Amino acid sequence: DGGITQSPKYLFRKEGQNVTLSCEQNLNHDAMYWYRQDPGQGLRLIYYSQIVNDFQKGDIAEGYSVSREKKESFPLTVTSAQKNPTAFYLCASSNVISGANVLTFGAGSRLTVL
Amino acid sequence: KNEVEQSPQNLTAQEGEFITINCSYSVGISALHWLQQHPGGGIVSLFMLSSGKKKHGRLIATINIQEKHSSLHITASHPRDSAVYICAAETSGSRLTFGEGTQLTVNP
Repeated sequence: DGGITQSPKYLFRKEGQNVTLSCEQNLNHDAMYWYRQDPGQGLRLIYYSQIVNDFQKGDIAEGYSVSREKKESFPLTVTSAQKNPTAFYLCASSNVISGANVLTFGAGSRLTVL
Repeated sequence: KNEVEQSPQNLTAQEGEFITINCSYSVGISALHWLQQHPGGGIVSLFMLSSGKKKHGRLIATINIQEKHSSLHITASHPRDSAVYICAAETSGSRLTFGEGTQLTVNP
C-alpha cells in the first residue's frame, strides 16, 4: 500500500544533541512538508519541498534543517539551535491530481528533549 | 486573530446526534481541507473542497466562498467518530494554514 512512513515514532534526546527524523513516501508525490504540532495550536510549517534538490523555509524554520536528495525522502534534522524542540512532528506529501491537491500525512514522530 | 478559526474548540455529543464543526478563514484560498486526527496522532484527509458541498458516508462538508466559511457535519454520530477535526486553508503555492482543531467526543 502507498503511504508515508515516519520514524522513529518516539524519540528522546538530551539537550545539545542534533536528531534526525525520517520521512519516506512511496506515493510518487512531488511535494513534501514538515509540520510541528504543539498543544492548543494549529500545525505550523517548518520546511517544504516541491521538487527534488529544492526546499523552502516555512514559518518556523529556525533551528531545523532538511534535505531532498531523493523524491521519496525528506528527512528533518532538529538541531541544538532549536530552543524548544519538544513537540509532535508530522510529515506530509501532496500531488495535484485532476486539479485537486491530494494531501497525505504520516503517523508522526514525537520528540522529547530531556 | 488567527487566519483560520474553528469552533467549537471542544464538543461532546451523545451517540446518534447530528454534529456541526465550523471553520472561518480570513485569507484568499484555493481550497479548504478537513482533516481528522486520532489519539495516536496520525492525520487523515477527509475532504478537500473549493465550492459547494461534498459527502462521504455520514460526513458532509460545505463551503461558502463569499462568507469565507466552511462546516463539517457528522450525521448519526458514533463513538468511533471521536477525534480532533482540523480545517486547513490552502493558499497559493499549496501552502496550508491550519485551525487549532476541534476535539470531538461522542459518548455511547
